[in-house]
Amino acid sequence: DAKTTQPTSMDCAEGRAANLPCNHSTISGNEYVYWYRQIHSQGPQYIIHGLKNNETNEMASLIITEDRKSSTLILPHATLRDTAVYYCIVKTGTASKLTFGTGTRLQVTL
Amino acid sequence: DAGVIQSPRHEVTEMGQEVTLRCKPISGHDYLFWYRQTMMRGLELLIYFNNNVPIDDSGMPEDRFSAKMPNASFSTLKIQPSEPRDSAVYFCASSFGLLQREVRHNYGYTFGSGTRLTVV
Repeated sequence: DAKTTQPTSMDCAEGRAANLPCNHSTISGNEYVYWYRQIHSQGPQYIIHGLKNNETNEMASLIITEDRKSSTLILPHATLRDTAVYYCIVKTGTASKLTFGTGTRLQVTL
Repeated sequence: DAGVIQSPRHEVTEMGQEVTLRCKPISGHDYLFWYRQTMMRGLELLIYFNNNVPIDDSGMPEDRFSAKMPNASFSTLKIQPSEPRDSAVYFCASSFGLLQREVRHNYGYTFGSGTRLTVV
């Protein structure tokens, strides 16, 4: 699976959009970008995933660059409850193993 | 569905004792995963099962660790004997198989709330 690079931490004001970047320059054509988050003391939670098109669901939007070497997870209106560690993971759709890196610690403040 | 259910939530045991962690996956999920999380090493995959069969146990740290899945609704992770360095939060997760993910548009893994193990 391709390696990902994320900033260690980010801050965001409540009500503003949180844009979390992820670099995956060695991504292969059949690899998807997945995002999970882990709120303190809880298990990781699936957010969204995509291959090459931008995706949106009730939780977030995922923007993948045309060359697929990077992506951005967007939380359109961050709340205090969005404070968590966000993991960007690249893997094939058929691969079963989910390998977590160190993620980005997002702190949403008043 | 109640989600992935793990027990106990907290376990404190003495070094050398046997510890058994339990997991009930979501009904209908074909895959089950055991992860361990520590501050130093982050989230590590220990082992995973497909249709109750262990597929990859390369993440199991030592022979002291063993995992079983006797049926589709139950799995255990056992540590015998336990050591202080085994102290961590252990998570169980489950997911649909590849075909069901596409059919149901359900692609994520669902994690349990974890078992916090402290070995003293």
